[in-house]
Amino acid sequence: GAVVSQHPSRVICKSGTSVKIECRSLDFQATTMFWYRQFPKQSLMLMATSNEGSKATYEQGVEKDKFLINHASLTLSTLTVASAHPEDSSFYICSAVQTYEQYFGPGTRLTVT
Amino acid sequence: AQKITQTQPGMFVQEKEAVTLDCTYDTSDPSYGLFWYKQPSSGEMIFLIYQGSYDQQNATEGRYSLNFQKARKSANLVISASQLGDSAMYFCAMREGNNDKVIFGPGTSLSVIP
Repeated sequence: GAVVSQHPSRVICKSGTSVKIECRSLDFQATTMFWYRQFPKQSLMLMATSNEGSKATYEQGVEKDKFLINHASLTLSTLTVASAHPEDSSFYICSAVQTYEQYFGPGTRLTVT
Repeated sequence: AQKITQTQPGMFVQEKEAVTLDCTYDTSDPSYGLFWYKQPSSGEMIFLIYQGSYDQQNATEGRYSLNFQKARKSANLVISASQLGDSAMYFCAMREGNNDKVIFGPGTSLSVIP
């Protein structure tokens, strides 16, 4: 099946700094990617839909100025957590769509100290 | 409103036995798709099985089968001959209409006992 990568897999940063997470579709082009956040022992919560060449569509309650999404090419979407705080610590997972099938990345564990 | 409900936060099953994980959903769209994913402790999301709303037969993939009861809006996952490696979180998910968005249920933690 199709492969989606995420980088980094783990990141620890200090409160107030910004963190960028990359999501790449390795062997296919994806016009649409999704970003999810998962807190411990909870489900995946959809944050936003990332569309190549246009602005991301954010779910209700997700701050677009805090979670900046850029879908610069058909194989790359980035999520930047601006001025991260400890409550932003979570597992961030992206997925990429190919012909209605959704393929997930391995996730990025963000810890903000 | 909760679109996907999984009423079993945690389940235990004896190795080699079958187990059913419950999932009910809510949608007014006649076209939708239902998914089950497995998430081991490593965090990766592993696709298990898919059922389309217009599919006439219940989906099966190896030891996984989906008990699709459209009128009841339920899509239970049946795992036959449980293995120790089946211990993980299991998420039921749904996609509505032509929308690519997939919404997840709260999940069920399955533990397989030797």
